[in-house]
Amino acid sequence: EVQLVESGGVVVQPGGSLRLSCAASGFTFDDYTMHWVRQAPGKGLEWVSLISWDGGSTYYADSVKGRFTISRDNSKNSLYLQMNSLRTEDTALYYCAKDLWFRELSKLEFDYWGQGTLVTVSS
Amino acid sequence: QSALTQPPSVSGSPGQSVTISCTGTSSDVGSYNRVSWYQQPPGTAPKLMIYEVSNRPSGVPDRFSGSKSGNTASLTISGLQAEDEADYYCSSYTSSSTLRFGGGTKLTVL
Repeated sequence: EVQLVESGGVVVQPGGSLRLSCAASGFTFDDYTMHWVRQAPGKGLEWVSLISWDGGSTYYADSVKGRFTISRDNSKNSLYLQMNSLRTEDTALYYCAKDLWFRELSKLEFDYWGQGTLVTVSS
Repeated sequence: QSALTQPPSVSGSPGQSVTISCTGTSSDVGSYNRVSWYQQPPGTAPKLMIYEVSNRPSGVPDRFSGSKSGNTASLTISGLQAEDEADYYCSSYTSSSTLRFGGGTKLTVL
């Protein structure tokens, strides 16, 4: 059974930093592109970033480019999101999501999602 | 990047059909057959309902169908059931190698 378990969400002040983690199990982690998607309270979904199965390619939404860094450790079946220079508008539930396609970078369709970890940016 | 355009809400009675539209541009929906639809009941994570415009993952009822014409994709739910009540989001791959989601549509089963 595929499981994605996010952690690391806390309350942080504007300008602060935070690292989110996602522990994956139930599939061959290093065969799939992984994503972070966020959802502000009461709002819609926003794609944040992706990293290829081998960690060699990364893409970011314009809203986080230059502030967030996605990474993965295939030896630990783990995905990460380093969040710097946090803003109040980054407040959201952050989901880790698995790409549907085997070793694919250009479809961005998600067949499994975690339950999310809540990041609150507030003074 | 602004969101793909979806109606904020739709409704229908049990047994009826509803269609949710998702309008993008020639840089996303219009250029790629990489449109997905997700169902999100309150307080839960999204669930993939349709991928590549019209394909259903295993376990998704065939009451759910997807299509696309030009820059607009559509999700049709036939034979509405109470359990279909949820928020629905479309998404599309873009020419910038990123993903745009729709703003979401709240489906109410009357």
